[in-house]
Amino acid sequence: DAKTTQPPSMDCAEGRAANLPCNHSTISGNEYVYWYRQIHSQGPQYIIHGLKNNETNEMASLIITEDRKSSTLILPHATLRDTAVYYCIVSKTSYDKVIFGPGTSLSVIP
Amino acid sequence: SAVISQKPSRDICQRGTSLTIQCQVDSQVTMMFWYRQQPGQSLTLIATANQGSEATYESGFVIDKFPISRPNLTFSTLTVSNMSPEDSSIYLCSVEGGTGSLYFGPGTRLTVT
Repeated sequence: DAKTTQPPSMDCAEGRAANLPCNHSTISGNEYVYWYRQIHSQGPQYIIHGLKNNETNEMASLIITEDRKSSTLILPHATLRDTAVYYCIVSKTSYDKVIFGPGTSLSVIP
Repeated sequence: SAVISQKPSRDICQRGTSLTIQCQVDSQVTMMFWYRQQPGQSLTLIATANQGSEATYESGFVIDKFPISRPNLTFSTLTVSNMSPEDSSIYLCSVEGGTGSLYFGPGTRLTVT
């Protein structure tokens, strides 16, 4: 079973920040938080990952709470192309088998 | 990042037949993973394929139904055997990335009639 809990769906207005939450209350000390997204009919795409510090790249920011039991993926200026299913995953590394939960279906609305 | 291609991109097959899906990576990788995504569902891991050893299958998946080959560090095949309509899914190949993430191929969309 997936080790994370996400809301099944969210809406976001185009141009606004999209904040996608994820709960991972059973995360262990050596597990990372990974985020992927899957645009319709495509293979999943890696977005970002982190251990305990906040991370930012050209796609998104990842905010991890101090107790590491939850995190938020932030898309700072959502566009229509960001409409996708977003998966939050907890895993030691990619050498550890990666289990996908149902994810959050994000709809960016014009 | 790794570039992954899959063949075929889609196919329509009759029940009882078998289909072999190919996955080609543009760089050498130790581990390759095969996932299935049934209509409207999330991804389910089928097996992990390491070069030079037998694939490791997840619960609910068996080698007789989903035989996997891994002849070298850039290539793998997944065969879906004795197909039934319940096998209609997208089959995805993935490999580990340098940052600990996974890279995915575009998927093979299989419809069994």
